Amino acid sequence: SQTIHQWPATLVQPVGSPLSLECTVEGTSNPNLYWYRQAAGRGLQLLFYSVGIGQISSEVPQNLSASRPQDRQFILSSKKLLLSDSGFYLCAWSPDRGGYGYTFGSGTRLTVV
Amino acid sequence: QQQVKQSPQSLIVQKGGISIINCAYENTAFDYFPWYQQFPGKGPALLIAIRPDVSEKKEGRFTISFNKSAKQFSLHIMDSQPGDSATYFCAASRKYNFNKFYFGSGTKLNVKP
Repeated sequence: SQTIHQWPATLVQPVGSPLSLECTVEGTSNPNLYWYRQAAGRGLQLLFYSVGIGQISSEVPQNLSASRPQDRQFILSSKKLLLSDSGFYLCAWSPDRGGYGYTFGSGTRLTVV
Repeated sequence: QQQVKQSPQSLIVQKGGISIINCAYENTAFDYFPWYQQFPGKGPALLIAIRPDVSEKKEGRFTISFNKSAKQFSLHIMDSQPGDSATYFCAASRKYNFNKFYFGSGTKLNVKP
């Protein structure tokens, strides 16, 4: 069966510090991968999605970047965090073709102070 | 342009009552309509989903009603329980559009004992 792992669960970082959040998927190959952000009490905002290694599409201009160095690994990064980067970050995956389904990770609560 | 519009933003229902959440979509090419349930501090989890070739799908106390001509679908929670208190998101997707989901803005459901 497929599983998605996301870490860390919580993170408190000072303004101006770098960020690296990691997401890995097990039990499948060539998944579509997504990074979402959820502000407190708000909806889900798609930040990045990837259909393959090194292929990243950005949905909104921002202070963040994403990378996919391996087939089942998706990383969200920032060189210098802003206060506005605080939020709940969610990784998700879906089958690359021929199937539906969208599975979220457990999320990372990021607080920038 | 918001692809999926969800209402209400919040909902309070007495235990045993019926909770109804509505969504409307724009793109007639959408062919998969899932509902996700999210508890505080957790990632959204797939609750139930429907394809446009059926008008209703029921799983236990949860039912999706789908109106293709009106481009609307709704989630009905029968005999609502305090444990159903969560945020619910509707979504829409096209199978061959990299499975990118368009989410509604979410409905926070509070079921009072």
